[in-house]
Amino acid sequence: EAGVAQSPRYKIIEKRQSVAFWCNPISGHATLYWYQQILGQGPKLLIQFQNNGVVDDSQLPKDRFSAERLKGVDSTLKIQPAKLEDSAVYLCASSLSGNQPQHFGDGTRLSIL
Amino acid sequence: GENVGLHLPTLSVQEGDNSIINCAYSNSASDYFIWYKQESGKGPQFIIDIRSNMDKRQGQRVTVLLNKTVKHLSLQIAATQPGDSAVYFCAAPHRTALIFGKGTTLSVSS
Repeated sequence: EAGVAQSPRYKIIEKRQSVAFWCNPISGHATLYWYQQILGQGPKLLIQFQNNGVVDDSQLPKDRFSAERLKGVDSTLKIQPAKLEDSAVYLCASSLSGNQPQHFGDGTRLSIL
Repeated sequence: GENVGLHLPTLSVQEGDNSIINCAYSNSASDYFIWYKQESGKGPQFIIDIRSNMDKRQGQRVTVLLNKTVKHLSLQIAATQPGDSAVYFCAAPHRTALIFGKGTTLSVSS
């Protein structure tokens, strides 16, 4: 079974620039999650999708972050404009449905200069 | 909401020893807990989970113990190997997502 795929693996941008991350979940997984992991901390949920609908985006800084999952499969997460404190690893996870074990991709490491 | 936290940020053991990583949680209504292992440069990898109707669950070389009275769970790794070196997180559901603790870094020396 192929795992969760994410790209790019690394991204370096300057503050105030924009950036986008892509995630392809495990085939058949209806639930998709984006987490932010700051160095030395555990992942923190940004947004959760069930198919192409948003279940929880209460922790997403909506003035600069946006995410979509238009066809209920792939998802993109965008930051515009980026701030220094957005430097982190952005992890995508998927599960068959909510309350099932989540499987994580290897993340995108974002550095803001 | 739920808070989960690990007792020690780092743990150093010798190869072949048993390792015990502890975690405390705050919400007595939490009914499901998961342990993840995260190696450098990789995403968290599912190790083992336990539901609140169990006190103990065993996997391959790993055992999770749950003490609901004191809201504590532990991950025991038998015969620790260098490949077990990683950061270990306990996590608990918050709605249908997960709340993670800060993690314990396990270092195994040979």
